Amino acid sequence: QSALTQPRSVSGSPGQSVTISCTGTSSDVGGYNYVSWYQQHPGKAPKFMIYDVSKRPSGVPDRFSGSKSGNTASLTISGLQAEDEADYYCTSYAGSNTWVFGGGTKLTVL
Amino acid sequence: EVQLVESGGGWVQPGGSLRLSCAASGFTFSSYALHWVRQAPGKGLESVSAISSNGGSTYYANSVKDRFIISRDNSKNTLYLQMGSLRTEDMAVYYCAKVGESFYFDYWGQGTLVTVSS
Repeated sequence: QSALTQPRSVSGSPGQSVTISCTGTSSDVGGYNYVSWYQQHPGKAPKFMIYDVSKRPSGVPDRFSGSKSGNTASLTISGLQAEDEADYYCTSYAGSNTWVFGGGTKLTVL
Repeated sequence: EVQLVESGGGWVQPGGSLRLSCAASGFTFSSYALHWVRQAPGKGLESVSAISSNGGSTYYANSVKDRFIISRDNSKNTLYLQMGSLRTEDMAVYYCAKVGESFYFDYWGQGTLVTVSS
């Protein structure tokens, strides 16, 4: 399985919005509505932020939203806050009990 | 409160073996699939291996197939990863993760570091 493609880095100022893309194929992102997103601060375990493309688990602020079009999923963070600075990873189910991760995106809050 | 606590990491020489464990609590262990995900130093996350709720179905990344064995003991609420023929490229923090109601990882352990070097 090839990794999903994410931008290496994105940045934004406090209060602004940023979008992180996650591009796969029709065998993973495009074939299933099972894209999820994880936030990881340095030295910490990943934290579950979005599942099934656009659903938010309880406790995740509604500033975080997910979407998908074709083979590309996106995570949008609105009203950026300093604590949002972290690495973000997408993953997609790819059938037959397999998952594929994106390479990760470093979000910098300027 | 769901908790996943990994152990068993450490230093091993290339070609060596190591067994990781993940002790779970706070949920009905036998009802959920589990996953091992690793992260090499400064790199991204990589799916390593998965196991169904009853242990009857397993998955391995091509990079670890025939070298790693995933298992679980539902009576002990513990997940295992037996790693053999270790290579320097296996050096990483290994996380266990609980699979949620569909295809996502809703809880993660704190990770255990595996160092492979001579």
